[in-house]
Amino acid sequence: EAGVTQSPTHLIKTRGQQVTLRCSPISGHTSVYWYQQALGLGLQFLLWYDEGEERNRGNFPPRFSGRQFPNYSSELNVNALELEDSALYLCASSRRTGGDVREQYFGPGTRLTVT
Amino acid sequence: LAKTTQPISMDSYEGQEVNITCSHNNIATNDYITWYQQFPSQGPRFIIQGYKTKVTNEVASLFIPADRKSSTLSLPRVSLSDTAVYYCLADQSGTYKYIFGTGTRLKVLA
Repeated sequence: EAGVTQSPTHLIKTRGQQVTLRCSPISGHTSVYWYQQALGLGLQFLLWYDEGEERNRGNFPPRFSGRQFPNYSSELNVNALELEDSALYLCASSRRTGGDVREQYFGPGTRLTVT
Repeated sequence: LAKTTQPISMDSYEGQEVNITCSHNNIATNDYITWYQQFPSQGPRFIIQGYKTKVTNEVASLFIPADRKSSTLSLPRVSLSDTAVYYCLADQSGTYKYIFGTGTRLKVLA
């Protein structure tokens, strides 16, 4: 079974630019979660998508947005990049029902550097 | 929202049992506790989840006392490869807004 995949692996952008990160969940998983992990820090919950809808979001400004496609893959968009957006962005997927939502499977992440 | 508190770091030696305790004073009646393991530059990996009493799988055990104000992840006979950051998460009463926190950095020594 293929795991969660993310692209690109690494990305370098300059302040003010926009970036799009992509995630493909495990087959059969309908929920996709996005997290931000700044260097040396814990994971900060960004967004949760399920069945194409945004179900919840963390304490991040509106310039962080995303969407989920009919095939359950997802994109995370960050507009007007700031230096503090430099981080590892992790995508995770899970099944939607019952206790399975807690068993999230994570991708390898996208390392974003903003200069 | 339920908040969890863990020790920042722990050291252990190979072959020892390691217990990492997590405090979660205000979890709701139906909230679960979940533990993840993270190696450097990798995404976290699900270890175990539980609701009450004791849960055991092939890699760990999770103990949750009756008052559910804390829980303990037990790793039997750790090896060097268990050196990682361990995160305790509490459900957010159905919001699925998982708060990972800063975790416990476990270092296993030879």
